[in-house]
Amino acid sequence: GAVVSQHPSWVICKSGTSVKIECRSLDFQATTMFWYRQFPKQSLMLMATSNEGSKATYEQGVEKDKFLINHASLTLSTLTVTSAHPEDSSFYICSAKTSGAYNEQFFGPGTRLTVL
Amino acid sequence: QKEVEQDPGPLSVPEGAIVSLNCTYSNSAFQYFMWYRQYSRKGPELLMYTYSSGNKEDGRFTAQVDKSSKYISLFIRDSQPSDSATYLCASYTGGFKTIFGAGTRLFVKA
Repeated sequence: GAVVSQHPSWVICKSGTSVKIECRSLDFQATTMFWYRQFPKQSLMLMATSNEGSKATYEQGVEKDKFLINHASLTLSTLTVTSAHPEDSSFYICSAKTSGAYNEQFFGPGTRLTVL
Repeated sequence: QKEVEQDPGPLSVPEGAIVSLNCTYSNSAFQYFMWYRQYSRKGPELLMYTYSSGNKEDGRFTAQVDKSSKYISLFIRDSQPSDSATYLCASYTGGFKTIFGAGTRLFVKA
């Protein structure tokens, strides 16, 4: 199956700093990538949908100035958490969508962010 | 009301048991139905998908969709400790957004 990677897998940062998370589709081109946030023992919360070459579409309640998304190519999307605070600590997961019959999503392994 | 409802569990079963995981959904426009498995601190992986109503079998796993009652099921036969994970159901209309259930945590005891 298609492989999606995320980097880093785990990051600790100080409050007020910015953190960039990369999401790559390794063996397919993804016209659409999604960014999710997941708190412990809770389901995936969609943060934004990004299409290559265009601005991301953010879900209601997600601050676009805080969570900057760039989908620069068909294989790479980045999420930057700006001026991170402890409440931003979470598990961030990206997924990439193929153009198959039902547009299956393939998920990355996730990035655990801890803000001190 | 959430578009996809799923009991978060946890569900604990002995090894070898048949596991039944269920979801209900509210949007009649949903056409595609998926089950994802997520191990702790990992991203979800697609287990099975079905289009419209019917059954689909893959090894020990059977996915079932009943559109008349808006009910989605995943059955796991001969459950193994390695099946212990969170199982997420998901539905999709054919547009961009996939709607996920809350996930059911399953523990299979050896």
